[in-house]
Amino acid sequence: EAGVTQFPSHSVIEKGQTVTLRCDPISGHDNLYWYRRVMGKEIKFLLHFVKESKQDESGMPNNRFLAERTGGTYSTLKVQPAELEDSGVYFCASSQDFGAPDYNEQFFGPGTRLTVL
Amino acid sequence: QKEVEQNSGPLSVPEGAIASLNCTYSDRGSQSFFWYRQYSGKSPELIMSIYSNGDKEDGRFTAQLNKASQYVSLLIRDSQPSDSATYLCAVRGGSYIPTFGRGTSLIVHP
Repeated sequence: EAGVTQFPSHSVIEKGQTVTLRCDPISGHDNLYWYRRVMGKEIKFLLHFVKESKQDESGMPNNRFLAERTGGTYSTLKVQPAELEDSGVYFCASSQDFGAPDYNEQFFGPGTRLTVL
Repeated sequence: QKEVEQNSGPLSVPEGAIASLNCTYSDRGSQSFFWYRQYSGKSPELIMSIYSNGDKEDGRFTAQLNKASQYVSLLIRDSQPSDSATYLCAVRGGSYIPTFGRGTSLIVHP
């Protein structure tokens, strides 16, 4: 079974540019989460999708961040325009439906390392 | 603000010893507790979850939870060099969103 995949693995952009990160969750996982880890800090929650709906986006830093999950499959996270403080590792995770026995387990992707110069 | 505290380490133990990793949390309403292992440059991997006070054992790993003291720990018996990684503590309350600690770096030396 394929795990959570993320693309790209690394991205280096200049301040003011736009970057789009992609996450493909495990097939059949309704729940998809985006997290970010800034260097030296803890992993912080950004938002949560249940299928194609945004369940909780309380962690999104500001309106420069836009997440979508059209069709309830893969998700994209767009940063426009990027700022220096957006640098970090962006993780995606997925989990089963809340009715499933293992719904507590979130499977993480390898992350996208974003560097804004 | 919910906080999860971990000693950043590194915690260095010899091969075969018991490694003890600790985590405290601020939210008394927390219900679910998780330990993730993260190798450098890799994704966090869930290794233990615990929901009630006491000990939970899985192979060489034991998670211990004390809700009164707001403390959760992970013991790794017979530590191996392959256990060298960063261990992340995550705590979840009524929502489905965990709060993570910064992680403790563990080094198991031969």
